[in-house]
Amino acid sequence: DAGVIQSPRHEVTEMGQEVTLRCKPISGHNSLFWYRQTMMRGLELLIYFNNNVPIDDSGMPEDRFSAKMPNASFSTLKIQPSEPRDSAVYFCASSMNRGLNTEAFFGQGTRLTVV
Amino acid sequence: AQSVTQLDSQVPVFEEAPVELRCNYSSSVSVYLFWYVQYPNQGLQLLLKYLSGSTLVKGINGFEAEFNKSQTSFHLRKPSVHISDTAEYFCAVFSSGSARQLTFGSGTQLTVLP
Repeated sequence: DAGVIQSPRHEVTEMGQEVTLRCKPISGHNSLFWYRQTMMRGLELLIYFNNNVPIDDSGMPEDRFSAKMPNASFSTLKIQPSEPRDSAVYFCASSMNRGLNTEAFFGQGTRLTVV
Repeated sequence: AQSVTQLDSQVPVFEEAPVELRCNYSSSVSVYLFWYVQYPNQGLQLLLKYLSGSTLVKGINGFEAEFNKSQTSFHLRKPSVHISDTAEYFCAVFSSGSARQLTFGSGTQLTVLP
């Protein structure tokens, strides 16, 4: 398996524009996580899905952020409208989350810059 | 609710010296514990994990960690570090309770000096 695949790797956009980040989890994994990493706040869990259902979205900072998982092999994180303070690296991770299989595998991240 | 505390945000150490990165957790149910490493401009990679059994866990690159239930700690150690170990290290806890999610600490930047 190619691992967790995120796209794009880098995104530069203007303030006010809509941004969509994409993630393809590892095949067979039933949990998917979106994290945001910044120098100031470190690694923050934004939302996680179990079997395509959002379980906890308490980490989503504002209504401008939304995430979907229409099927087991694809998820999106959307920011609309984007603001400069949204600049960060966004990571997607997936795990089996069954029994003792709890290890999360991370994608390479999307570095978002909002100017 | 579960939480993870990494007491040291920065740890500078000279090459070939030993190092210990501290991690404490809190949780009301059984936990599984992990250490991840993040090299510059890369995602997080699993270094080692404790699920059950022996409390001393060995991972990749010569790292090991010891689970101490009474002290709720999971400190990471390496007897002799290399320049290539310079990276950020994250401790994480997974709770087996109703909130099955991975919670990360704030990270420790390990810098190995020549």
